[in-house]
Amino acid sequence: SAVISQKPSRDICQRGTSLTIQCQVDSQVTMMFWYRQQPGQSLTLIATANQGSEATYESGFVIDKFPISRPNLTFSTLTVSNMSPEDSSIYLCSVDSGGQEAFFGQGTRLTVV
Amino acid sequence: KQEVTQIPAALSVPEGENLVLNCSFTDSAIYNLQWFRQDPGKGLTSLLLIQSSQREQTSGRLNASLDKSSGRSTLYIAASQPGDSATYLCAVRRDNYGQNFVFGPGTRLSVLP
Repeated sequence: SAVISQKPSRDICQRGTSLTIQCQVDSQVTMMFWYRQQPGQSLTLIATANQGSEATYESGFVIDKFPISRPNLTFSTLTVSNMSPEDSSIYLCSVDSGGQEAFFGQGTRLTVV
Repeated sequence: KQEVTQIPAALSVPEGENLVLNCSFTDSAIYNLQWFRQDPGKGLTSLLLIQSSQREQTSGRLNASLDKSSGRSTLYIAASQPGDSATYLCAVRRDNYGQNFVFGPGTRLSVLP
């Protein structure tokens, strides 16, 4: 299994500002994944972060809005830039462990006012 | 295109009951299926992973089955407890290249003391 620490657990932010979410894993992993869960909705994959290369973004998500860093094999950050109320969501990071079992962080509950 | 549905959408039961949550998917060509629980405003906790070649997996009071040919999985919870109250999500993975999950909408479970 994998243990993922995600910070902050929640935040209330002003529109137009940016928030950086951190994700720390207790083991080295090749890929880390970032998701968004809008209120009452299921999870949507934002991007895949590989160490040493640019993140790969899913359709509808762009690097300018959601820049990602992956400086090493246990850590990644997701920044939500120039926030609007529509960005209010839960943001989650995830990794795969043995047998392709997915593990998720505790989530960051973001409210934009 | 893979679609995942879950029935029922919500369920309320008295403590001690055994219960079954259902997950259906339209494309039987899956790599694996994973059940998660999500507490309000939080991340996902992995419950059980079933590989496409497996029929069932058990962990404590939880048992998950998979019938790939009919596109169905069930999660059986024995002797339910108030602490089991959460939303239960099933997710199917297409292959082992990245996290290409399709999530179901979830079943919201309330176990009453």
